Amino acid sequence: DGGITQSPKYLFRKEGQNVTLSCEQNLNHDAMYWYRQDPGQGLRLIYYSQIVNDFQKGDIAEGYSVSREKKESFPLTVTSAQKNPTAFYLCASSIAWEAGVNTEAFFGQGTRLTVV
Amino acid sequence: AQKITQTQPGMFVQEKEAVTLDCTYDTSDPSYGLFWYKQPSSGEMIFLIYQGSYDQQNATEGRYSLNFQKARKSANLVISASQLGDSAMYFCAMRGLSGNTGKLIFGQGTTLQVKP
Repeated sequence: DGGITQSPKYLFRKEGQNVTLSCEQNLNHDAMYWYRQDPGQGLRLIYYSQIVNDFQKGDIAEGYSVSREKKESFPLTVTSAQKNPTAFYLCASSIAWEAGVNTEAFFGQGTRLTVV
Repeated sequence: AQKITQTQPGMFVQEKEAVTLDCTYDTSDPSYGLFWYKQPSSGEMIFLIYQGSYDQQNATEGRYSLNFQKARKSANLVISASQLGDSAMYFCAMRGLSGNTGKLIFGQGTTLQVKP
């Protein structure tokens, strides 16, 4: 079955440690996105990528890093520079944007990161 | 800059009645797409409906319809015949062609509760 897989579902991190969240898709999508969601809040864009080896900062990129070495994979690293990393992280993918084409994003199940 | 605004943090509706969830947007892109997603308490994101900026007719998908008023920059979601399973958080989203980056942004969301 095609889809997006995020792992792990739950993640605990000690303060001062970097941690990497995995996102893999087999939908042959060009575009991939990372969002952060705090309780009762909306989705805020961290990073996004429209093509392999290229990515752009979203609205809250500070303290995060990404790579896009393969079309299928878009891992997110939460660094120790992120002061309040406890949140729900969602990865999404979609085909490349074309005007007039329905290009909804498909989401993974999310990773809940807790700093302990 | 692109922006999505959802001004209703929470809404109540009686089962079997219709409800409208508000969404306004701001963009300078001549071409863009508008999306609505549903997020149950499990956290998954479920795509509901899409409206392209050049579409002449309002989009409909089963019990969901999108009231698109381009001049007012609004894209309200109408859910007809509400069901208990409609209780969830609903997000309005927009994707534009600004800089050919296809950035996908979300509003703050509206929590809908359906009363029996």
